[in-house]
Amino acid sequence: AQSVTQLGSHVSVSEGALVLLRCNYSSSVPPYLFWYVQYPNQGLQLLLKYTTGATLVKGINGFEAEFKKSETSFHLTKPSAHMSDAAEYFCAVSMLSGGSYIPTFGRGTSLIVHP
Amino acid sequence: KAGVTQTPRYLIKTRGQQVTLSCSPISGHRSVSWYQQTPGQGLQFLFEYFSETQRNKGNFPGRFSGRQFSNSRSEMNVSTLELGDSALYLCASSPGQGTGEQYFGPGTRLTVT
Repeated sequence: AQSVTQLGSHVSVSEGALVLLRCNYSSSVPPYLFWYVQYPNQGLQLLLKYTTGATLVKGINGFEAEFKKSETSFHLTKPSAHMSDAAEYFCAVSMLSGGSYIPTFGRGTSLIVHP
Repeated sequence: KAGVTQTPRYLIKTRGQQVTLSCSPISGHRSVSWYQQTPGQGLQFLFEYFSETQRNKGNFPGRFSGRQFSNSRSEMNVSTLELGDSALYLCASSPGQGTGEQYFGPGTRLTVT
C-alpha cells in the first residue's frame, strides 16, 4: 500500500521568503506524484505533477517540485511567498488499482504567509 | 471547458435522513471520483465510477453509495445519516485513462444535526 507523509501541518513564512513544503511517499514502484492547493471553501486545484522524465517540474503560480527517488521525496518550493499563497497544500501519489490510478493524499499543510 | 460542478453547495440534514449529492464532470471526462474531507481524517476516497461502472471503492460502510449515468454525471447517496457524516464531499473527474490527475469541483458541505 502506498502512503504520503507531509511534514508539518502548518508552515509559516514571511512575504517574500522561500516556501518549502515537504512530502515523502512510500511506494514499491515509481509512482505518479502531485501537488494540489485548496483555498477556503473551494475544491482542490492541481499545482503540478510528476509522471516521467525531468525530475524538476514547474507548476502554476511560480511553484516547483523535485522528485528524488533515492529519498522518496517530492518537496514543493517557491522562491518568494506572496500573501495570496496562503492556503492548504496537499501532496498525492497515485498507483494503479482496479484498472485506474487512484490518488492517495497526504494530510495537508496549511501555509501561513505573514506581511 | 466548464469545470466540475456540484450541487447543492450546502446542505443541512438531520440524523437518520438520507441525502443525494450530484456532480457533473468536465465534458469528455469519463471517470468520476468522490472524496470525503474532514478535519480529523483528511481526504478519504469513497469510490470511482468509469463508464457507469464502479471501478474502485474506498473503505466506507454500505450506507455510502453512488452511481454514474450515461452522460458521465454522477450522484452519491448517503442513507441513515450520522453526525460523523458531516463533511465536505468533493467530486473529481478525469479522462479515465491516465495518471490519476484529478479535477475537483467546489464540493458540497454537508452538516448533519
